[in-house]
Amino acid sequence: GAVVSQHPSRVICKSGTSVKIECRSLDFQATTMFWYRQFPKQSLMLMATSNEGSKATYEQGVEKDKFLINHASLTLSTLTVTSAHPEDSSFYICSARVGQRETQYFGPGTRLLVL
Amino acid sequence: GQNIDQPTEMTATEGAIVQINCTYQTSGFNGLFWYQQHAGEAPTFLSYNVLDGLEEKGRFSSFLSRSKGYSYLLLKELQMKDSASYLCAVMDSNYQLIWGAGTKLIIKP
Repeated sequence: GAVVSQHPSRVICKSGTSVKIECRSLDFQATTMFWYRQFPKQSLMLMATSNEGSKATYEQGVEKDKFLINHASLTLSTLTVTSAHPEDSSFYICSARVGQRETQYFGPGTRLLVL
Repeated sequence: GQNIDQPTEMTATEGAIVQINCTYQTSGFNGLFWYQQHAGEAPTFLSYNVLDGLEEKGRFSSFLSRSKGYSYLLLKELQMKDSASYLCAVMDSNYQLIWGAGTKLIIKP
């Protein structure tokens, strides 16, 4: 149980384009999903927290107009990187949990390369 | 402020035992998690402690002392595949996870 999927696993795009990443909880309903970013050899950085049906809460320094998050259902959240630039190249990982006190389970991550 | 401390890197020998420590100072406490992250992959859940004491799960055990703000992850019978980063995370009073920077564990033959 507690399986989280992400799609795509890897994406290469041109600078200026937008990229959408999907995160799905496959065998449970996730009231909350989280989006992280991780640069090589660095720690996980929380970007935003999203609760189903409400606006995402962004961490300080994360541009909400650049990283659009939609959590339309209890099993799906999407992160759209708008007008991507090379500095947005990173490993994007989502996680999901059932309730406040519950364990976060991670998706396999999406590796984004912006040329 | 909130703070999670764990060693940056540790080295151990295949077949041996290693203990990875984590100390924390957070606003409230709703449990402590350990995750394993192999290079280039996402973290995977290892353990959760909310009460004091030792939780054993196969070759891995996790200990918590809330009064000391301290936890450790104990790995026994080390295998080469245990080479990874081990992340300590504390759930604070707002049910947010506060992450440590991770401990990179290197296993040598």
